[in-house]
Amino acid sequence: DGGITQSPKYLFRKEGQNVTLSCEQNLNHDAMYWYRQDPGQGLRLIYYSQIVNDFQKGDIAEGYSVSREKKESFPLTVTSAQKNPTAFYLCASSDSPTDTQYFGPGTRLTVL
Amino acid sequence: GNSVTQMEGPVTLSEEAFLTINCTYTATGYPSLFWYVQYPGEGLQLLLKATKADDKGSNKGFEATYRKETTSFHLEKGSVQVSDSAVYFCALSPNYGGSQGNLIFGKGTKLSVKP
Repeated sequence: DGGITQSPKYLFRKEGQNVTLSCEQNLNHDAMYWYRQDPGQGLRLIYYSQIVNDFQKGDIAEGYSVSREKKESFPLTVTSAQKNPTAFYLCASSDSPTDTQYFGPGTRLTVL
Repeated sequence: GNSVTQMEGPVTLSEEAFLTINCTYTATGYPSLFWYVQYPGEGLQLLLKATKADDKGSNKGFEATYRKETTSFHLEKGSVQVSDSAVYFCALSPNYGGSQGNLIFGKGTKLSVKP
């Protein structure tokens, strides 16, 4: 089955620790995205990548970092510089930047 | 700038009632418009989309028409079911320059359908 997988589903982190969220897709899509969702809010774009080895900041990139070494993988690191990291994180991919985006099941990060 | 405004929730309906969730947008040029649905604890699923004015997107009994004159993309369903209970997001994708691929979302509307 083609799709997007995110792991883990739930993640707990102590303050001051970096944590990496995984996103893998087997749809052969060129573009991948990370969004953050807070209660009662829409989704906000953190980073996106239109092609391997290239990525751009979205609206709320501060305190986050990404890499895109392989077409199918786009991991997101939440660093200790992110002041309020507790949120639901969603990864998405699309065939090209102008095509429909398809979403993974999400990772819920809680900072203790 | 680009933005999406959708009606505040929550919306509570009885089964078989008619549903409308309003969505209006502000954008430069001719964006593509989308409705996504999110069930509890899950990611977003594409419900329907429209890429140009007067297009009608439809799926699973839901419909929305791209109205450029009123900058709207309202979601409708003639007869809702309990299984339609979810959060619905309206979104746009600007189709110009460096903004290509950046989805702009509304805040979501929670729908609860009672039997």
